Parts: sequence; C-alpha cells; structure tokens
Amino acid sequence: RKEVEQDPGPFNVPEGATVAFNCTYSNSASQSFFWYRQDCRKEPKLLMSVYSSGNEDGRFTAQLNRASQYISLLIRDSKLSDSATYLCVVNMGGNNRLAFGKGNQVVVIP
Amino acid sequence: NAGVTQTPKFRVLKTGQSMTLLCAQDMNHEYMYWYRQDPGMGLRLIHYSVGEGTTAKGEVPDGYNVSRLKKQNFLLGLESAAPSQTSVYFCASSQGASGANVLTFGAGSRLTVL
Repeated sequence: RKEVEQDPGPFNVPEGATVAFNCTYSNSASQSFFWYRQDCRKEPKLLMSVYSSGNEDGRFTAQLNRASQYISLLIRDSKLSDSATYLCVVNMGGNNRLAFGKGNQVVVIP
Repeated sequence: NAGVTQTPKFRVLKTGQSMTLLCAQDMNHEYMYWYRQDPGMGLRLIHYSVGEGTTAKGEVPDGYNVSRLKKQNFLLGLESAAPSQTSVYFCASSQGASGANVLTFGAGSRLTVL
C-alpha cells in the first residue's frame, strides 16, 4: 500500500457546486495531516492543517478519520479561483518525514 | 519579505554536466529541504538540513549533494547530471520539524537534462 494515495482526477466541478475528495494513508501512527494547494506551475502552499476534531476555514472543511485512515477535503460554493491541485500531506512519524500524495486536480467550470 | 528564493528558475544541462541550485530564506528558519516533483508522483525529499552546518539524506539522495554553510542558504548540487534528474526542484523551509510545522516553498527550479 502506498504511503499516501489520492485519486488524481481531474474533478470537473460546476461553479457554485460542492466537491469533496479523500486521501488515504498507510501509517496508523501518523499524527499530523495537511492539505496544500498547488496552482499550475507554481509552488505548493499550505491550505489548512487537519485536526482530529476536523476544521473549517471559510468554504473549506477538512476532516480526519483515524479508524479508516483517511482525511478529506470539502469545498463548498466552488469558485473559478479554486481550480488547482490539492496535495494531501501526512507526517509518517519517526524522523518527522512528510509523505506527499500525487494530488487531486480540481477544475471549476463556469 | 521575500520568503524562499530559488535560483536559477530554469536550466538546461547536458548529460554529465554539473550545476548548483541555490535556495535562500529570510525567515530565520532552522529547517530547510530540497524536494523534486515529477509528473504523476508526489513530492519526494532529496536532502534536508535541521540547522546550519548539518545535512541529512531524504528518500532519493543519490546523485545529489547539499551544503548548509549559512543558516539562510541551502545548496543542491548535481555533480554529473543524468536525464533521470530532469524534474522540478522545490526548496522549502520551516521553523521546526516538518512533521508539525508549515513548509514555505520556493517558486521552483525547472531542470532539463539532455
């Protein structure tokens, strides 16, 4: 099983719609989880950290399911500017090494 | 506040040539990292540093060397470039260990090895 798995998509989303996707991770001991956003030909930037209780930042909601070892990201009321690749990042423990998923590509369609 | 700056942004090399990528950060971060990003793959850690004068190997260190002589700079060297090293290279820094701290990335350096 890969350390971090994401369905690359693309996820074609009508403007104003809701889109959600999951990321599964292999290490049950992982403690830290993040979503980074990467625009085309740009660097990744932190979107949000994922806490055990889940967290929300405006139209974005992240959740953690430890039992099934996945994190999720939900985007409500999608905007054209949300078009990007969303990278799932998991702390694999030990020496604090981060594992990056391949990303979920979101394309918001007018 | 520039954050993390990488130079050069683009470079084309011939097989066997050498080059150095420079990363500079002005946030006084202790930790610095070099990643590579290839199509269809997640970012992979090449080397990292937990402080001035220290370096350590990441997941894919072969063919690369690094140095951290000054806290603000982290250099990535390719001694004899190979086509397999064609990639986008990202430098990043963080105040503490990457497991619990936000990474700030540079804009990337696109390297093509012919």
